[in-house]
Parts: sequence; structure tokens; C-alpha cells
Amino acid sequence: DGGITQSPKYLFRKEGQNVTLSCEQNLNHDAMYWYRQDPGQGLRLIYYSQIVNDFQKGDIAEGYSVSREKKESFPLTVTSAQKNPTAFYLCASSIWMAGELFFGEGSRLTVL
Amino acid sequence: GQQLNQSPQSMFIQEGEDVSMNCTSSSIFNTWLWYKQDPGEGPVLLIALYKAGELTSNGRLTAQFGITRKDSFLNISASIPSDVGIYFCAGNNAGNMLTFGGGTRLMVKP
Repeated sequence: DGGITQSPKYLFRKEGQNVTLSCEQNLNHDAMYWYRQDPGQGLRLIYYSQIVNDFQKGDIAEGYSVSREKKESFPLTVTSAQKNPTAFYLCASSIWMAGELFFGEGSRLTVL
Repeated sequence: GQQLNQSPQSMFIQEGEDVSMNCTSSSIFNTWLWYKQDPGEGPVLLIALYKAGELTSNGRLTAQFGITRKDSFLNISASIPSDVGIYFCAGNNAGNMLTFGGGTRLMVKP
């Protein structure tokens, strides 16, 4: 079945550690996105990528980094520079930049 | 940039009641989408609208693309407990990326 797979579903990390969240899609979509969601809040865009080897900062990119070496993969690294990293992270993809987004199931990161 | 105001922010209703929520934009959109997010999951696309005035149904859900192209409405008829979740509107125009509303949290009393 085609879809978007995020892993891990739950992740705990100590303060000061970097952590990488995986996002893989087999929908052959060109565009991929990372959003952050805090409890009771909406979606805030972290980074997006329209094509392989290219990505752009979203509204809250500070403390995060991404790569897009393959069309299918768009991993997000939450660095120690992110002051409040505990959140629910959602990866999404679309055929093109203005198209409908399809979301993964999310990864919940908790910093201890 | 584009802004979407979604209302209400939350609703607590009795099972069987009908639900209405809406989104308004500061600019004209040519696409409106409605998503539902179950607790702890990613949002799932419910309905997509591409033409002003368009009215589209998906089971008990009905959504409309406003004539002014600056608003959209979602109605849920005869709500059931599994309707619980957060409903997001999203829209865009001219090839721009989707803009999301802040969400409407729906809670249903059995």
C-alpha cells in the first residue's frame, strides 16, 4: 500500500541530545513537509522540500535541520539548539507544492 | 501572508446533533480542503473543493466552497462518538503552499 511512514512513533531524549525523525513515502510525491503540533494547537511548518537536494525553511526552522537526498525520504533532526522540542511532529507529502497534503501518523518527541 | 481564521475553536455537543464549522481567509483561495485528525494520529483528508459555490458530500459530511472564495463551511450531520477529533481547514491559491486554519476541536457526549 502507498503511504507515508514516520518512525519512531514515540521518542524520548535527554536535554542536549540531537535526535532524528524518519519520514519515508512511496507515493512518488515531489514535495515533502515537516510540521510541529503542540497540545491543543494547530500545525506549524518547520521545513519543506519541493525537489531532491533542495529544501526551504518554514515558519519555525530554528533548532531543526533536514536533508533530501532521495525523493522518498525527508528526515528531520531536532538539534540541541531547539529550546522547547517536546511536541508532536508530522511529516506530509504532496504531488506538487500546491497539491493536497497526505500526512504520516506522527512522531511524539518528549525531552526528559 | 495568507491567514485562515477557523471557528469555533472547540465544540462540545450531544451525540446525534448536527455540527457546523467554518473558515475565512484574508485573501481569495482557489482550493479548500478539510482534514480530520484523530487523537495521536496524523490528519486525514475528508473533502476537497476546487470551485466557488461547490457543495460536496462525503457520507454525513458536507462542505461548501464560499461564493466569495474567501470562506468554506463544513457540516456534520447526526454526530456520533467517533466524530471526536480536530478538524482543520486548509486553502491555497496560485500555486502557493497550503495554509492551515487553527483547527476546531470536536467533543461528543454519548
